[in-house]
Amino acid sequence: GDSVTQMEGPVTLSEEAFLTINCTYTATGYPSLFWYVQYPGEGLQLLLKATKADDKGSNKGFEATYRKETTSFHLEKGSVQVSDSAVYFCALHNAGNNRKLIWGLGTSLAVNP
Amino acid sequence: EAQVTQNPRYLITVTGKKLTVTCSQNMNHEYMSWYRQDPGLGLRQIYYSMNVEATDKGDVPEGYKVSRKEKRNFPLILESPSPNQTSLYFCASSLKVHYEQYFGPGTRLTVT
Repeated sequence: GDSVTQMEGPVTLSEEAFLTINCTYTATGYPSLFWYVQYPGEGLQLLLKATKADDKGSNKGFEATYRKETTSFHLEKGSVQVSDSAVYFCALHNAGNNRKLIWGLGTSLAVNP
Repeated sequence: EAQVTQNPRYLITVTGKKLTVTCSQNMNHEYMSWYRQDPGLGLRQIYYSMNVEATDKGDVPEGYKVSRKEKRNFPLILESPSPNQTSLYFCASSLKVHYEQYFGPGTRLTVT
């Protein structure tokens, strides 16, 4: 079945460091891919998405490119801030299974000043 | 303001005492879902609903019930809570399943 694998956390960085959070997936066909973010004490919110191969999603300085050849959707940011401290979830939706999203386990990021 | 509301936000209860967590959305979304979040296990879907009167089991439905009598409301019912249902619960809604999901603020449930 479909699955999403994220790098394990926690990830700890200093402010202004470069961030990469790896996400790879297994799915038939051409799924849509998402990154959600959960700030402390809050629900998840959509950060960015990509719906077809080679699409780049971007928001708030974060980017992720849908790479079908490597089945990956890695999240990157050039210069993190303390306010980026959160849990990041990668997810996919496969039109062949139209009833739910498939979630990664989440990666916790802590950014120190 | 477009939002998903959940109540209560925090609840401590005892084993076997029936409880309901309410969820309401004001965006006319068709798809609604309940998740639980546990350390190391990520988000696991409990139940989902594609539309009014259309509900189905997710990955961990045991011990839970839901109903969808109106489009805006999707309550989660624990008929006889047990300590292994201690968790953080999130309700979410979206126009369709593959559209952006909007999450409620969460309900932290403790069953003793």
